[in-house]
Amino acid sequence: DAKTTQPPSMDCAEGRAANLPCNHSTISGNEYVYWYRQIHSQGPQYIIHGLKNNETNEMASLIITEDRKSSTLILPHATLRDTAVYYCIVRSTMNRDDKIIFGKGTRLHILP
Amino acid sequence: DTGVSQDPRHKITKRGQNVTFRCDPISEHNRLYWYRQTLGQGPEFLTYFQNEAQLEKSRLLSDRFSAERPKGSFSTLEIQRTEQGDSAMYLCASSLHIRDTQYFGPGTRLTVL
Repeated sequence: DAKTTQPPSMDCAEGRAANLPCNHSTISGNEYVYWYRQIHSQGPQYIIHGLKNNETNEMASLIITEDRKSSTLILPHATLRDTAVYYCIVRSTMNRDDKIIFGKGTRLHILP
Repeated sequence: DTGVSQDPRHKITKRGQNVTFRCDPISEHNRLYWYRQTLGQGPEFLTYFQNEAQLEKSRLLSDRFSAERPKGSFSTLEIQRTEQGDSAMYLCASSLHIRDTQYFGPGTRLTVL
């Protein structure tokens, strides 16, 4: 089973910041938080990942709480092309087994 | 475009036929993964390779499924005697090393009539 909990769907107005929450209350110290998104009929696209500190790249920002039990993915200026399913995933840095376990993700609708 | 390519992008077949899909990973990536995704669900792991060695197979990978990566570069996934329940998107991903970020291809959508 996936180790994360996400809301099934969210709406965001175009041009506004989209804030996608993720709960990972059982995360262990050696597990990273990864985010992928999947636009309709395409393969998952890597967005960002982090361990403890907040991270930012050209696509998004990742805010991880101090206790690491939850995180938020922020798309600063959402566009219609950001409409997709967003997956929050935890991955170990230690296990030999590095397959990704996906949940159902959050379906983000960007409204014009 | 992540650099992972899959062929074909779409495949329609009749029940009982065999199908084969190909995945070309990002050059120099040692690890290659196959996942399957059915409608409304997240991708599910099927199998993965470290170079040419197949290291793990999911219980989802019945004996009708076989995957190879003969020279440690491209990989093929074959489904024999297809069933309607095999209809899904088959995704390939690759990573440079163990526990590195996995980059996914566009997928092959299989429809079994």
